[in-house]
Amino acid sequence: AQRVTQPEKLLSVFKGAPVELKCNYSYSGSPELFWYVQYSRQRLQLLLRHISRESIKGFTADLNKGETSFHLKKPFAQEEDSAMYYCALRVAGNMLTFGGGTRLMVKP
Amino acid sequence: GAVVSQHPSWVICKSGTSVKIECRSLDFQATTMFWYRQFPKQSLMLMATSNEGSKATYEQGVEKDKFLINHASLTLSTLTVTSAHPEDSSFYICSASNPGQGIPDTQYFGPGTRLTVL
Repeated sequence: AQRVTQPEKLLSVFKGAPVELKCNYSYSGSPELFWYVQYSRQRLQLLLRHISRESIKGFTADLNKGETSFHLKKPFAQEEDSAMYYCALRVAGNMLTFGGGTRLMVKP
Repeated sequence: GAVVSQHPSWVICKSGTSVKIECRSLDFQATTMFWYRQFPKQSLMLMATSNEGSKATYEQGVEKDKFLINHASLTLSTLTVTSAHPEDSSFYICSASNPGQGIPDTQYFGPGTRLTVL
């Protein structure tokens, strides 16, 4: 069965510091991975997906099939980046399996 | 575009009663809707997938007779928690997707419904 693991429940950094939110997955098929973000009192929204190879709000994520990872990175964290971040794996039928989430706190 | 709403946003009910939660896609037609459950400080757990006009597909461990899902139209899916008990108290979130909407196969999430069963 597929599984998504986010080892850190909380990540606290200072403004301007680099950020890396870790995500590891296990899946026997060809993975399609996403990062979703949930700001305080807002709904879950898509941040980026690996097939797009894009940078959104300064965040990037590279799929590493060898390490089965899809870590989310940003070189310089901003206070407005504080939120819950969920890594998700899409399997058959467009179903998403979510990781446990990491709360990012960016301190001034 | 691609807005999903849920109603109600918060409901409190007595044990033994049934509660219906609506999920609507406001500006697009959703061929598929998903229902998730989220316990405090935990991740989203997929409960079921519903396709318009057909029976929902439930995840292992989810009681289909307890969590009734109806996806009668391309813009509305409902989740009815029957004979609710305190352990059903949770945050229920729906999402909707349509291959022709925005980024293909993206799920657009509703704001969630908090259910508290006394």
